[in-house]
Amino acid sequence: GNSVTQMEGPVTLSEEAFLTINCTYTATGYPSLFWYVQYPGEGLQLLLKATKADDKGSNKGFEATYRKETTSFHLEKGSVQVSDSAVYFCAPSTSGTYKYIFGTGTRLKVLA
Amino acid sequence: SAVISQKPSRDICQRGTSLTIQCQVDSQVTMMFWYRQQPGQSLTLIATANQGSEATYESGFVIDKFPISRPNLTFSTLTVSNMSPEDSSIYLCSVALLGTSTDTQYFGPGTRLTVL
Repeated sequence: GNSVTQMEGPVTLSEEAFLTINCTYTATGYPSLFWYVQYPGEGLQLLLKATKADDKGSNKGFEATYRKETTSFHLEKGSVQVSDSAVYFCAPSTSGTYKYIFGTGTRLKVLA
Repeated sequence: SAVISQKPSRDICQRGTSLTIQCQVDSQVTMMFWYRQQPGQSLTLIATANQGSEATYESGFVIDKFPISRPNLTFSTLTVSNMSPEDSSIYLCSVALLGTSTDTQYFGPGTRLTVL
């Protein structure tokens, strides 16, 4: 079945540092790939998505590229802010079913 | 996107009781889902709420424990029955919007349940 492996946290960075959170997946077919973010005390928000190979999703300075050859969807941001402190979830979907497989989540803490 | 509300936002319940959680969406949706997020854990899909018919449950979840209703396109309820402390979790509903071409889901704010 489908699965996802996500970089373990917590990740602690200083403000303006470069961020990478690794995500690799196994899936049948051609899943859509998503990153969700959960700020403290809140529900999940869609951060970005990509629906086919080589697509780049981007939002709020975050980017991730759908790499079919390496089955990866790593999240990056060039300069993090304190307000980016949250838990980030990688989630490939099962093609055509709307069902997600969520990663374990990576907690990011950005220090001023 | 859509505005999704859940009620209650949090509750503290006694062992053996039941709690019904409501999910309301302000848009027409195709699919509604219920997830559980145990403390410090990722999200696990409980079931897909089907309009006018029985929900489709994932492995490890049963209707007697988590009865679900979906009387129309924009509303669903999840009941956590005969609760035990192990049911303490955040319960989230999510939706896929009618007319969208991708399988994007939008999540409600969650219901934080503590069972004593």
